[in-house]
Amino acid sequence: NAGVTQTPKFQVLKTGQSMTLQCAQDMNHEYMSWYRQDPGMGLRLIHYSVGAGITDQGEVPNGYNVSRSTTEDFPLRLLSAAPSQTSVYFCASSSPGMGNQPQHFGDGTRLSIL
Amino acid sequence: EDKVVQSPLSLVVHEGDTVTLNCSYEVTNFRSLLWYKQEKKAPTFLFMLTSSGIEKKSGRLSSILDKKELFSILNITATQTGDSAVYLCAPTSSNTGKLIFGQGTTLQVKP
Repeated sequence: NAGVTQTPKFQVLKTGQSMTLQCAQDMNHEYMSWYRQDPGMGLRLIHYSVGAGITDQGEVPNGYNVSRSTTEDFPLRLLSAAPSQTSVYFCASSSPGMGNQPQHFGDGTRLSIL
Repeated sequence: EDKVVQSPLSLVVHEGDTVTLNCSYEVTNFRSLLWYKQEKKAPTFLFMLTSSGIEKKSGRLSSILDKKELFSILNITATQTGDSAVYLCAPTSSNTGKLIFGQGTTLQVKP
């Protein structure tokens, strides 16, 4: 059971480059989210999705795009990378239902923008 | 605007001590509150609280929620060096699955 898989684990980009962080889950979870974590801070929500075809903005959405064409995948796109986007990115998934099950997190992607 | 405040931000104790971590929140359409432990990598789930006044326990860890006063506490008794980590609380909002995280409490347990 793979759970939530994020790729790549590490990435270095130059300012202005674009890239996509991949997130896939094999638990048939409807809810998926992207967070970023900066030193000394908790996780901040970037975008989230409550199901295929449905996405919404979180607390810090600027500079990022998402799409949810399938239940399994929720990629995060950086359109034009900026040094302020240097961070650790976590993807998470969960299933609605009784008690709203806790979110499962991927291992994270450490992204550096030079 | 949703808000989560954890206190203290950092804490240094010695093995065997008992610690209490605090989390206060203001969240629209509150559904539940989750506690996570984060070491080097991704947060790992500890507790999910949905009802006031019902303590959840797992070994030396316990947690309780007060939905009237909008706070939760996480207790760790007989602390060990392996408890050293960042502890995050995160209320959830109904029907979205999104978590709103506090800054976290960094706990260091010295031998």
